[in-house]
Amino acid sequence: GAVVSQHPSRVICKSGTSVKIECRSLDFQATTMFWYRQFPKQSLMLMATSNEGSKATYEQGVEKDKFLINHASLTLSTLTVTSAHPEDSSFYICSATDRRNTGELFFGEGSRLTVL
Amino acid sequence: QKEVEQNSGPLSVPEGAIASLNCTYSDRGSQSFFWYRQYSGKSPELIMSIYSNGDKEDGRLTAQLNKASQYVSLLIRDSQPSDSATYLCAVTGSNDYKLSFGAGTTVTVRA
Repeated sequence: GAVVSQHPSRVICKSGTSVKIECRSLDFQATTMFWYRQFPKQSLMLMATSNEGSKATYEQGVEKDKFLINHASLTLSTLTVTSAHPEDSSFYICSATDRRNTGELFFGEGSRLTVL
Repeated sequence: QKEVEQNSGPLSVPEGAIASLNCTYSDRGSQSFFWYRQYSGKSPELIMSIYSNGDKEDGRLTAQLNKASQYVSLLIRDSQPSDSATYLCAVTGSNDYKLSFGAGTTVTVRA
């Protein structure tokens, strides 16, 4: 199956700093990438949808200036959490679809962010 | 807003038994349906996809889809301790392929 790689898997940062998370599709061209956030014992919450070369579409309640998403190529999308605060601590997971557009998502390994 | 609801857990079954997971969705035009398995601290892993009414079997897993009832289920036969995880139902919409996830059902298989 298609492989999506996410990095870093764990990051600890101080409050007020920015953190960048990378998501790469390794063996396919990801036309669309999705960024999810998951708090403990809760389901995945979609944060934003990004298409290569265009601005990301954010879900209601997600601050676009705080969660910067860049989808510069068909194989790379990045999420930058700016001026992180402890309440931003969460499990962030990227996913991608390929050109078949069946809805099937390929997930990255996830990045656990802890803001001190 | 698409809504996906799953039967509340946790679900505890003895080893070798059948685990039955249910999911209903609100968007009648939904096209694609998926089951993901998520181990604690890990990202979801796709274990089943189904697109048309009826049953789909894959090893010990059987998915059932009934679009008229807006219902999709997953049966895990001969449950093993390694099946202990949270199972997420995911559904696409009628107008796009954006997935909506249910809250998940946590399954524990007792040895």
